[in-house]
Amino acid sequence: AQKVTQAQTEISVVEKEDVTLDCVYETRDTTYYLFWYKQPPSGELVFLIRRNSFDEQNEISGRYSWNFQKSTSSFNFTITASQVVDSAVYFCALSELNNDMRFGAGTRLTVKP
Amino acid sequence: ETGVTQTPRHLVMGMTNKKSLKCEQHLGHNAMYWYKQSAKKPLELMFVYSLEERVENNSVPSRFSPECPNSSHLFLHLHTLQPEDSALYLCASSHQGYEQFFGPGTRLTVL
Repeated sequence: AQKVTQAQTEISVVEKEDVTLDCVYETRDTTYYLFWYKQPPSGELVFLIRRNSFDEQNEISGRYSWNFQKSTSSFNFTITASQVVDSAVYFCALSELNNDMRFGAGTRLTVKP
Repeated sequence: ETGVTQTPRHLVMGMTNKKSLKCEQHLGHNAMYWYKQSAKKPLELMFVYSLEERVENNSVPSRFSPECPNSSHLFLHLHTLQPEDSALYLCASSHQGYEQFFGPGTRLTVL
């Protein structure tokens, strides 16, 4: 069975600090997809990134970067130079072939000015 | 134009009322989903429709009844709800197995 663990329930940082959100997953499949979503206070989940299990190349998009390591079953998300607008709940998710997405419990990030 | 829309955005209902939540997607996806998000709880997948057929029902009480008349529309019919059903109800759509795109949600309060 697929499972996603986000051990950090809440993180608080001061603006301009870097912050890393951890995600550990479990799956028996060799083919799967990993995702990150952002849920701002408005409530709508915003898709950030999808990674497939065969692509371990790290990705950078502006201040966001993702570190995918199959050896440790982790897909961590780093925000560089955090801003107040980054305050949100962030969800990591896993999808196996022919199975629906399973979400972690989420990490609430608060960025203080 | 927003890819996935949900109406109403807020709903207050009594336990004896009957109401429906509506979701519409404009992304050409073939799968649609209902999720429940309660305070301090993980996202709970309630129903999945793929090609307009229900493929998953995660032990959801019968007071929640989904309907998918076509690939663009999804409804959640509510009747005789309980106060513990108060939550944010999120609709999403996707091509099966790929990233899901979410609507803004309906904030439901059951009195």
